[in-house]
Amino acid sequence: DVKVTQSSRYLVKRTGEKVFLECVQDMDHENMFWYRQDPGLGLRLIYFSYDVKMKEKGDIPEGYSVSREKKERFSLILESASTNQTSMYLCASSPNRLEYNEQFFGPGTRLTVL
Amino acid sequence: GEDVEQSLFLSVREGDSSVINCTYTDSSSTYLYWYKQEPGAGLQLLTYIFSNMDMKQDQRLTVLLNKKDKHLSLRIADTQTGDSAIYFCAEIDGRDDKIIFGKGTRLHILP
Repeated sequence: DVKVTQSSRYLVKRTGEKVFLECVQDMDHENMFWYRQDPGLGLRLIYFSYDVKMKEKGDIPEGYSVSREKKERFSLILESASTNQTSMYLCASSPNRLEYNEQFFGPGTRLTVL
Repeated sequence: GEDVEQSLFLSVREGDSSVINCTYTDSSSTYLYWYKQEPGAGLQLLTYIFSNMDMKQDQRLTVLLNKKDKHLSLRIADTQTGDSAIYFCAEIDGRDDKIIFGKGTRLHILP
């Protein structure tokens, strides 16, 4: 079974702190994604990556950056956390070989910024 | 940009059928999806349909696709308490292969 793990289920940080959210997948998937999920807004794509050291902006990249130094790991960085970044963060991965493009999701990290 | 619309909430009695509806805008989508998110978990692909099909059935699940109206529906027969979740409709953006998700429909099961 594909497994996507995220470093924390719950995280509480203070405004201005630098925050790292880590995501690891164990199925050699080429593609990895970071979303945030907010009530009434659904999933919004922050950043994605199709290969190591490669990143693309999603729909809401402002205030975030990412790093993909290894194929299995995709990190989301909040350089200076703000209260409006309080949200559920979901990581996903997908392989190129699947024609129907299924994305496999991690359990999510609920981040609270005080 | 491309958009996927679905109602935010649906309440159904246990044992009845649930029908969750969705409309999308990208006529070039090759695949359309239904993802399920159970409480405290990430999303999991429930089923998908290729754009040249108009129906797909898998046990209690029936997906109907009306390409002319860009309308997708998910029917869950004999709804059970374990079906309580948020259901996301999604499509592939034909320009860049990104998946575009709807806002999710929260299915609430009444006893």
